[in-house]
Amino acid sequence: GAVVSQHPSWVICKSGTSVKIECRSLDFQATTMFWYRQFPKQSLMLMATSNEGSKATYEQGVEKDKFLINHASLTLSTLTVTSAHPEDSSFYICSALRMTGLNTEAFFGQGTRLTVV
Amino acid sequence: GDSVTQMEGPVTLSEEAFLTINCTYTATGYPSLFWYVQYPGEGLQLLLKATKADDKGSNKGFEATYRKETTSFHLEKGSVQVSDSAVYFCALSGREYGNKLVFGAGTILRVKS
Repeated sequence: GAVVSQHPSWVICKSGTSVKIECRSLDFQATTMFWYRQFPKQSLMLMATSNEGSKATYEQGVEKDKFLINHASLTLSTLTVTSAHPEDSSFYICSALRMTGLNTEAFFGQGTRLTVV
Repeated sequence: GDSVTQMEGPVTLSEEAFLTINCTYTATGYPSLFWYVQYPGEGLQLLLKATKADDKGSNKGFEATYRKETTSFHLEKGSVQVSDSAVYFCALSGREYGNKLVFGAGTILRVKS
């Protein structure tokens, strides 16, 4: 299957600092990528849809100024958690859509464990 | 809105036991249905999918049939292995949903040897 690489796999940062998470599609181009947040023992919550060359679309209740998304190329989307606080600690997962003909499939990164201290 | 409901876990089974994880959905459109698996410390991987009613998805011994009449997509495996221990997510999506995945809460499966 296709490969999506997410980096870093874990990060610890101090309150008030910003953290950037990268999501790369290694062997296909992805016009659309998604960012999810997963709380312990809970499902994935969609945060935003990242579209190459345009502004991200945020889900209701997600602060766009707090979670900055940039999709500057067809293989890279970044999520920056700005002025992080302990309540932002979570597992963040990206996925990239691969479209081949009529078939569309989502491939997921391995996730980033963010801990804010 | 559209949603997916899964049976709560954890589900604990002995090796070679039969597995069923229930999944039901509510949808206004005609979604595709998916099962994803998340092994410890890893991202999600597509396990199987079905794109229309009565379709059966299958992979690695797992099966699920898209039942429109009962709005269900239950996951089954005839004989589980320790290596099947993971979290299983049922989800729906489709072009009418902007290809966004709507996930169930996930079910932890633990298989004992």
